[in-house]
Amino acid sequence: DAGVTQSPTHLIKTRGQQVTLRCSPKSGHDTVSWYQQALGQGPQFIFQYYEEEERQRGNFPDRFSGHQFPNYSSELNVNALLLGDSALYLCASSSVIGAGQPNEKLFFGSGTQLSVL
Amino acid sequence: DAKTTQPPSMDCAEGRAANLPCNHSTISGNEYVYWYRQIHSQGPQYIIHGLKNNETNEMASLIITEDRKSSTLILPHATLRDTAVYYCIVSGGKLIFGQGTELSVKP
Repeated sequence: DAGVTQSPTHLIKTRGQQVTLRCSPKSGHDTVSWYQQALGQGPQFIFQYYEEEERQRGNFPDRFSGHQFPNYSSELNVNALLLGDSALYLCASSSVIGAGQPNEKLFFGSGTQLSVL
Repeated sequence: DAKTTQPPSMDCAEGRAANLPCNHSTISGNEYVYWYRQIHSQGPQYIIHGLKNNETNEMASLIITEDRKSSTLILPHATLRDTAVYYCIVSGGKLIFGQGTELSVKP
């Protein structure tokens, strides 16, 4: 049983460009959350997708957007990249536990390391 | 979401119990306490969670005080592979990570 898979593992972009990161959740999971982790910091919550809709969002600008597909996989898009967007981007999956209540027992992927030059 | 306070770093001798404290004095009645750890260059890993009762699984034990304002994660026999950053999170809907405790297990 594959866990959470993310692609690519590493990515280098320049300022102003756009980037798309991809995530496949663990089998049986229907909810995907995205986190940004700067060097030496804890992961910061970006947003969470369930039933192809953004359900919760952290304190990130509109340059950060996402999508969830019918097969539960997800994409994170970042437009107009800034140097400060350089970070490890983590995807986590979970399953809803009744009445749409998200399960906070998350399974994380190994992340995509994004470098913005 | 309630804020948590953890010591920035701790050491533990291999084979001994590691006791990691967490303060969450503003926790509300429906918020759970979650513990995750992150080994270098990997994504965080779920360890355990609880509401008000003590919990134990194959990885660790979680002791929550009666007033729920603090908790302790116990790794009963720490190994070198337990060296990681440990995050205590109080959650009512989404996980908000703090800075965590960097645990170093030494031979």
